Amino acid sequence: RKEVEQDPGPFNVPEGATVAFNCTYSNSASQSFFWYRQDCRKEPKLLMSVYSSGNEDGRFTAQLNRASQYISLLIRDSKLSDSATYLCVVTSPYQAGTALIFGKGTTLSVSS
Amino acid sequence: ETGVTQSPTHLIKTRGQQVTLRCSSQSGHNTVSWYQQALGQGPQFIFQYYREEENGRGNFPPRFSGLQFPNYSSELNVNALELDDSALYLCASSSDRELPGELFFGEGSRLTVL
Repeated sequence: RKEVEQDPGPFNVPEGATVAFNCTYSNSASQSFFWYRQDCRKEPKLLMSVYSSGNEDGRFTAQLNRASQYISLLIRDSKLSDSATYLCVVTSPYQAGTALIFGKGTTLSVSS
Repeated sequence: ETGVTQSPTHLIKTRGQQVTLRCSSQSGHNTVSWYQQALGQGPQFIFQYYREEENGRGNFPPRFSGLQFPNYSSELNVNALELDDSALYLCASSSDRELPGELFFGEGSRLTVL
């Protein structure tokens, strides 16, 4: 079983749609959780951290369920500029520092 | 604020050769990590350097080695290149003053092994 699993998509949605991405992780000892965004042929960039209580940043809402080892990202009112690959990320419980374990990513394409 | 810069941006090597990739970390960052991203995959952790010492390593063989210099810049060396080493190599810098897990990535070095 992969350490971080995501539905690869692609998700093709019209502008204004609401879209949700899901992610599961295998190691219950993971402590920190994130969503990164990667544009085509670009580097990944931190989108948001994910907290146990759930957190929101504008149109983006992240949720964490530690019992189910499940992370989600909800994007409301999708924009063309949201088209990208969204990477679910957890910290490695076996490594010091900031070693991150990335999922394969979920590709989102927003069309007009 | 200077971002993370990597060189070269693209390179082609043949099997068995050696390659050195370079990274300049973001100003004020003392930690550098290297990741390998194969096509269609997420980045995979290779190793991390903090104040010139390796302080974490992923599941990569010893032919992947690195260095961090006093100015916090870093090198990734790969010996005896294999076809499967073809990938985007990403350098990321961070600081213990930043949020945990907030890495700042360079644009990467795209390596093709023929």
